[in-house]
Amino acid sequence: NAGVTQTPKFQVLKTGQSMTLQCAQDMNHEYMSWYRQDPGMGLRLIHYSVGAGITDQGEVPNGYNVSRSTTEDFPLRLLSAAPSQTSVYFCASSYDALSREQYFGPGTRLTVT
Amino acid sequence: DAKTTQPPSMDCAEGRAANLPCNHSTISGNEYVYWYRQIHSQGPQYIIHGLKNNETNEMASLIITEDRKSSTLILPHATLRDTAVYYCIVRSSNAGGTSYGKLTFGQGTILTVHP
Repeated sequence: NAGVTQTPKFQVLKTGQSMTLQCAQDMNHEYMSWYRQDPGMGLRLIHYSVGAGITDQGEVPNGYNVSRSTTEDFPLRLLSAAPSQTSVYFCASSYDALSREQYFGPGTRLTVT
Repeated sequence: DAKTTQPPSMDCAEGRAANLPCNHSTISGNEYVYWYRQIHSQGPQYIIHGLKNNETNEMASLIITEDRKSSTLILPHATLRDTAVYYCIVRSSNAGGTSYGKLTFGQGTILTVHP
């Protein structure tokens, strides 16, 4: 199993540009989520999904959209990038929402200038 | 979810036990204690979790006080590769509610293992 994969690893955007961060898992996990981590801080939940076709907001959803058309993929879309969205983005998955272990991807480092 | 308090940093000599404390005085009866760690620039990694009994796995031991208001993660023989940020997280076992399945990460404890 490849586990949780994220692309790209690094990205630089200009203010106002849009882009999609990709996340995929090959473990047939129902639960997937996106977090952001700002320098020196813990991770904060952006959006999550309990299964294909179902998504919901986390604690910092503004400026981001998600969709879950398949079990495997959970892309995160930045609609109009802002410097405040400069961060490291982590995708995670688990068998279900209350599974003991969530598996995290390697992260995408995004800089918005 | 209950708030946790951890020391910002700790040091440990290689080969010795690392004992990382966590206070969670407002924990409720259906909340589990989880520990994750994050090695520099990588995604967090699950270590162990427990409800009220002590737990042990191949990575670590978790000691939870009888009143459940605090816990200690023990790495029995720390190595240089254990240098990381360690997060103590309290999470409800109930289904539903806002941010279902969410892990609430604080700032954690930076553990430095030195030769």
